[in-house]
Amino acid sequence: GAGVSQSPSNKVTEKGKDVELRCDPISGHTALYWYRQSLGQGLEFLIYFQGNSAPDKSGLPSDRFSAERTGGSVSTLTIQRTQQEDSAVYLCASSLWEGDVYEQYFGPGTRLTVT
Amino acid sequence: TQLLEQSPQFLSIQEGENLTVYCNSSSVFSSLQWYRQEPGEGPVLLVTVVTGGEVKKLKRLTFQFGDARKDSSLHITAAQPGDTGLYLCAGAGNQFYFGTGTSLTVIP
Repeated sequence: GAGVSQSPSNKVTEKGKDVELRCDPISGHTALYWYRQSLGQGLEFLIYFQGNSAPDKSGLPSDRFSAERTGGSVSTLTIQRTQQEDSAVYLCASSLWEGDVYEQYFGPGTRLTVT
Repeated sequence: TQLLEQSPQFLSIQEGENLTVYCNSSSVFSSLQWYRQEPGEGPVLLVTVVTGGEVKKLKRLTFQFGDARKDSSLHITAAQPGDTGLYLCAGAGNQFYFGTGTSLTVIP
């Protein structure tokens, strides 16, 4: 079956503009995660959804960041008034809850460059 | 606060050598995953370990979960250039907590 897809794959934007990143999870996966990764670094947790609800928004860096998920499927991450420090790869992952063990499957990421 | 610390951060070895990557935490996790990430791609799941003391083998890769479920190790035997990449551990709790990453380069 299809894996996690993300769009766009690359986005270059000017400082101050808003951007919207999209994630299509694996069909049937109830949980969806957003992470941010700087070059060669580990993953910084941003937010996760269980269904359409976001129980944990603690990782969002500022109020310029928001995310939503509709229909238990597609999710969008919106960054308003982008800053140069927002430049990074934004990764989305989905998982299917199976008892105490759940495994994430990642998309290829969106590389965001703020000029 | 970084829950999971990986060591070493960078590793460059010759083809054929063995290596071990460590993932340590003061927290207990219900399960722990190891991922490998290549440039320009998302992380790819390698293995999940669940039981304290568990050892899993995947060809030349051996994964171990600590008895207390706080730490893990990844051992690669006879490394090959195709093993090059960023190795990430992730502990499962209320969310996934990713380690700091180990960048491995295997020189032909």
